[in-house]
Amino acid sequence: NFILTQPHSVSESPGKTVTISCTRSSGSIAHNFVQWYQQRPGGAPTTVIFEDDQRPSGVPDRFSGSIDSSSNSASLTISGLKPEDEADYYCQSYGDNVVFGGGTKVTVL
Amino acid sequence: QVQLQQWGAGLLKPSETLSLTCGVSGGSLTGYYWNWIRQAPGKGLEWIGEINQSGSTNYNASLMGRVTVSVDTSKKQFSLKLNSVTAADTAVYYCARRLIGHWRFDSWGQGNLVTVSS
Repeated sequence: NFILTQPHSVSESPGKTVTISCTRSSGSIAHNFVQWYQQRPGGAPTTVIFEDDQRPSGVPDRFSGSIDSSSNSASLTISGLKPEDEADYYCQSYGDNVVFGGGTKVTVL
Repeated sequence: QVQLQQWGAGLLKPSETLSLTCGVSGGSLTGYYWNWIRQAPGKGLEWIGEINQSGSTNYNASLMGRVTVSVDTSKKQFSLKLNSVTAADTAVYYCARRLIGHWRFDSWGQGNLVTVSS
């Protein structure tokens, strides 16, 4: 099975934009949909993006997802960063197994 | 709005069997896969396995042989058993739902911390 690699952490000031990458180790990133989950301390994950770029109802449009075949990676972009966006973010896809990335801690400075 | 409520023993000794159950309310078992996912302290998410209403299962190959997921449709519950636990199995265990044919986990239980310690 493949591995999804995320940066360990990113940080930015309120109002700015952060982008989290999720790079697939083998096989095409476009072959299987990518989901993104937000997890606040002590809580269960919640979906912020599904099927590469779809936003569940209730998720602000400050959250967007995309895939880039040239880098074989997916990205989660959070624009207009707010303090409540501070959390861990996980990408997830599937092949023979369900695969999660290692997670990225987003810090709002 | 579906709700997943999970329960089970929180403290185990090495070599014992982990047993957790997840109850489903506000929705049907039909049309979904019912999953178990865990998170070791300070670590990322690891998918364990899943089952549908008919009893069809899929498991993480790394845990194959130790894990069993079962379903009780009459009680609208599904369960996880993990044999021969070690300290490496210490984690928060979540139950979660995904629609068959889709790969988003759209509802999650509250999580149970299971600690393995002698």
